[in-house]
Amino acid sequence: DGGITQSPKYLFRKEGQNVTLSCEQNLNHDAMYWYRQDPGQGLRLIYYSQIVNDFQKGDIAEGYSVSREKKESFPLTVTSAQKNPTAFYLCASSILTSMVDEQFFGPGTRLTVL
Amino acid sequence: AQTVTQSQPEMSVQEAETVTLSCTYDTSESDYYLFWYKQPPSRQMILVIRQEAYKQQNATENRFSVNFQKAAKSFSLKISDSQLGDAAMYFCAYRTYTGTASKLTFGTGTRLQVTL
Repeated sequence: DGGITQSPKYLFRKEGQNVTLSCEQNLNHDAMYWYRQDPGQGLRLIYYSQIVNDFQKGDIAEGYSVSREKKESFPLTVTSAQKNPTAFYLCASSILTSMVDEQFFGPGTRLTVL
Repeated sequence: AQTVTQSQPEMSVQEAETVTLSCTYDTSESDYYLFWYKQPPSRQMILVIRQEAYKQQNATENRFSVNFQKAAKSFSLKISDSQLGDAAMYFCAYRTYTGTASKLTFGTGTRLQVTL
């Protein structure tokens, strides 16, 4: 089955620790995205990548880092510099050759800082 | 910068009835895309319907249709014959037309309850 997987589903972190969220897609999509969702708010873009070894900051990149070493993988690291990391994180991907560039989403990871 | 506004935090509809969710947006661009996404309790984001701004015809997908008013910058979602499975958060989203990857700008969402 083609799709986007995120792991783990739930993640707990102690304050001051870095943590990495996994995102993998087997849709052969070019672009990948990370969004953050907080209660009462829509999704906000953290980082996105159009091609391997290249990525751009979104609206709320501070305290986060990413890498794109393989087309199918786009891990997100939440660093200790992120002031309020407890949130729901969604990964998405899209195929850039499509005019619409429709984004498909993974199931998400709920991160809680203890 | 583009903004998307959903002024109805919560809506309720009876099963089999019709409900309309509102969305307005602000942009100075002429070409763009608009989307409605559904987020059920599983929190998986599911695309419901999309509209290309250069198309005057309103998009329709089975029981879901939109009322796209470009001049008024309005993009409402109508759900006909509502079903219990339609209960979810609904997000309106805007995307610039571009050949490269770009972000979706989301509204704050409308929680839809479906009652018997």
